[in-house]
Amino acid sequence: EKVMTQSPATLSVSPGERATLSCRASQSVSSNLAWYQQKPGQAPRLLIYDASTRATGIPARFSGSGSGTEFTLTISSLQSEDAAVYSCQQYNNWPLTFGGGTKVEIK
Amino acid sequence: QVQLQESGPGLVKPSQTLSLTCTVSGGSFSSGAYQWSWIRQHPGKGLEWIGYIYFSGSTYYNPSLKSRVTISLDTSNNQFSLKLRSVTAADRAVYYCARGLGENDPSWFDPWGQGTLVTVSS
Repeated sequence: EKVMTQSPATLSVSPGERATLSCRASQSVSSNLAWYQQKPGQAPRLLIYDASTRATGIPARFSGSGSGTEFTLTISSLQSEDAAVYSCQQYNNWPLTFGGGTKVEIK
Repeated sequence: QVQLQESGPGLVKPSQTLSLTCTVSGGSFSSGAYQWSWIRQHPGKGLEWIGYIYFSGSTYYNPSLKSRVTISLDTSNNQFSLKLRSVTAADRAVYYCARGLGENDPSWFDPWGQGTLVTVSS
């Protein structure tokens, strides 16, 4: 099973600033990585798949990069509505596994 | 636009079977393009994939839960279901259904149902 580790656990960023979130895989997952946004009491929402492809309707301020074992989700100019938990998921191998999440707070 | 909605008891007694159903609307449930998964999230924790079913009926389960899980589908009602046997307090979680792509290949999930909290208590 591939273990996904996210850092930091919590990130506090001022509006308009850049937020950089990290996801590390215990073994290579190639580019088979997705990012999700989850607000309190809501289901996860797909942001990015294939490591860097934005899902339909996702604002351009969200971008993903990386391959192999190191991945990054960047929110270029943080908005108040971006406060949420962000999770990564590998789909290179079964079983599918998720990271523990990074909570983004608005400073 | 496809939508998924979980339903089922919110309270299950220890050692009994948790049963949930996901109803799919607004899309081609029987399309060979998609797979249908169950995922859970323990309170305050990360997400855990439980397993999936394809429209042909083929399934794949997380090895950590495989001995207790059955996922089935009802194409006539655009539904798929989860059964988790011999539940304990550790199975208390929000359970989500979600759509993935393809038959045999691992996939990301989009969209998701809103989730349903299941508590295990006598």
